Amino acid sequence: QVQLQQSGPGLMKPSQTLSLTCAISGDSVSTNSAAWHWVRQSPSRGLEWLGRTYYRSKWYTGYAVSVKSRISINPDTSKNQFSLQLSSVTPEDTAVYYCAREKEGYCSSSSCVWFDPWGQGTLVTVSS
Amino acid sequence: QTVVTQEPSLTVSPGGTVTLTCASSTGAVTSGYYPNWFQQKPGQAPRALIYSTSNKHSWTPARFSGSLLGGKAALTLSGVQPEDEAEYYCLLYYGGDWVFGGGTKLTVL
Repeated sequence: QVQLQQSGPGLMKPSQTLSLTCAISGDSVSTNSAAWHWVRQSPSRGLEWLGRTYYRSKWYTGYAVSVKSRISINPDTSKNQFSLQLSSVTPEDTAVYYCAREKEGYCSSSSCVWFDPWGQGTLVTVSS
Repeated sequence: QTVVTQEPSLTVSPGGTVTLTCASSTGAVTSGYYPNWFQQKPGQAPRALIYSTSNKHSWTPARFSGSLLGGKAALTLSGVQPEDEAEYYCLLYYGGDWVFGGGTKLTVL
């Protein structure tokens, strides 16, 4: 059974760098059949996809345009985890942050993709 | 900026049938968008229900089904139960990026 365990601070000041970690058990961050995502949720923005990292002979990352200049998602193979860093935070970045696994497979001979499991969520509040 | 649109709210009676839809600002939703549907209850993380248009997870109740309908992804609940009251989100793939819909608050009344 795959599980994701999030860790990181819940209170930050404006202009600081948000840093969260998602520890993986039951799967490998380096697997060729999954990608590792960060998603956030706030009352004003709903669920917002932030980005992902995945390994296909080399490491790839992809980020949402809305945060592309401030975000970094990095794998840590030694600890089997991945992290989120979001720089120059403002109160607009206040949200519950989730990590999630995107798994690839085949359904009736065509490719399919699902998102499970999810981390427990971390409420990050940005306030001076 | 790509926008994924869902009905903000829907109300259904217990035992009834309701269809939630998920539209893309770029045009018709196809299987290539790998539509995923999630259920979220207050204070909980999203729970996966349907993936790649119509595939169910082992924990997805049989009354939930996914499809493509009129150029949109659709989630149909047949024989709605009180415990189905929740927020439902769709998620679409845009060739590298993923975009969530704004969510549908389903009230069972």
